[in-house]
Amino acid sequence: GEDVEQSLFLSVREGDSSVINCTYTDSSSTYLYWYKQEPGAGLQLLTYIFSNMDMKQDQRLTVLLNKKDKHLSLRIADTQTGDSAIYFCAVGGSYIPTFGRGTSLIVHP
Amino acid sequence: KAGVTQTPRYLIKTRGQQVTLSCSPISGHRSVSWYQQTPGQGLQFLFEYFSETQRNKGNFPGRFSGRQFSNSRSEMNVSTLELGDSALYLCASSLDTGMDEAFFGQGTRLTVV
Repeated sequence: GEDVEQSLFLSVREGDSSVINCTYTDSSSTYLYWYKQEPGAGLQLLTYIFSNMDMKQDQRLTVLLNKKDKHLSLRIADTQTGDSAIYFCAVGGSYIPTFGRGTSLIVHP
Repeated sequence: KAGVTQTPRYLIKTRGQQVTLSCSPISGHRSVSWYQQTPGQGLQFLFEYFSETQRNKGNFPGRFSGRQFSNSRSEMNVSTLELGDSALYLCASSLDTGMDEAFFGQGTRLTVV
């Protein structure tokens, strides 16, 4: 089955850019998502990209997809303390995606 | 527009008991998916219901079951609870099963003692 890997932690200073990385194994994956989970809350869909795209930008968020290396990244520009959360990468070729373990983003003032 | 509502938010049960969790999707959404989130295993898919039928199923034992009613509300049931069932159970709803339209509830925190 699909395997999705993410690093567990990322620490950045407020105002810097954050880059969260994700690798996956199934090259036939067609939908790739980024979710955010704040403490005590469910998952919030941040953005998604189709496999026929290389990049998608949405305000402070930039998603980059390298299909050859099966690598997905989420860049958050001008990171704020309110961005502190767990970020999940999810990859799917059919309806139900496979989630990574999540990356805890810690933003220092 | 009300979001996805999961009840109860917190639950403490004893080993061997059974539990029922409820999920009310966003009005008009017909697909409801359930996930188990634990620190060790991350987010794992349990099952998905669409128009009262189970359409997809994850790799969980038969102690985990679910159903969906005609108003799209869904319940999941866990029988013969084990300590390892302690987790955050998340429900997501969508118009169909396109995850780009999926919205998650806040989850039910189940603790088995």
